[in-house]
Amino acid sequence: QVQLQESGPRLVKPSETLSLTCTVSGGSIHGYYWGWIRQPPGKTLEYIGHIFYTGNVNYNPSLVSRVSMSVDTSKNQFSLRLYSATAADTAVYYCARHQNGGTYPIDHWGQGILVSVS
Amino acid sequence: DIVMTQSPLSLPVTPGEPASISCRSSQSLLQTNGYNHLDWYLQKPGQSPQLLIYSGSIRASGVPDRFSGSGSRTDFTLKISRVEAEDAGIYYCMQALQTRTFGQGTKVEI
Repeated sequence: QVQLQESGPRLVKPSETLSLTCTVSGGSIHGYYWGWIRQPPGKTLEYIGHIFYTGNVNYNPSLVSRVSMSVDTSKNQFSLRLYSATAADTAVYYCARHQNGGTYPIDHWGQGILVSVS
Repeated sequence: DIVMTQSPLSLPVTPGEPASISCRSSQSLLQTNGYNHLDWYLQKPGQSPQLLIYSGSIRASGVPDRFSGSGSRTDFTLKISRVEAEDAGIYYCMQALQTRTFGQGTKVEI
């Protein structure tokens, strides 16, 4: 069973960079799209973007100027960087896997990590 | 952005009774390949979201058959034929035609 686990600092200062890593276990990172989604406290979900295992990326236009994703297939990990963080970036961040085919739905989610910008 | 609008935002339900959630998109989610780019997720209290339905009407692996999705283009519905206590949580629709966007969520309370 594929499992995803987010890791990284839970507290980030304003104007600094929010950095998270997702470790994939129980399956290979090869052949799939991997995404990041966030959820501010009490609010709905926001899609940040995704990265293919080859490194091709697609970012939410609302965040494209501040976001970067990368993948390390040797470690079965992918990462998120969000630059110039503000209080509005405080949220639970989920890493996720997109199922292949059709609408490429999100079929596996990490447990989420709450990151506060303060 | 494609805006997703769910109704109702709160839905009290009784175990054994049916329930229905509506989701509307600001533009058609039907592609030429025949797929509707609309998924449904359930976020149970304290948990990550889980996939229920994709492509508008296809149940994800392991999802009970009391859940069904229907609709096309801009109007979609998630139905639970007989609600069980474990179905409590927040249900989200999400469009996957462009940069993914989610509805506001519908809180189902038993």
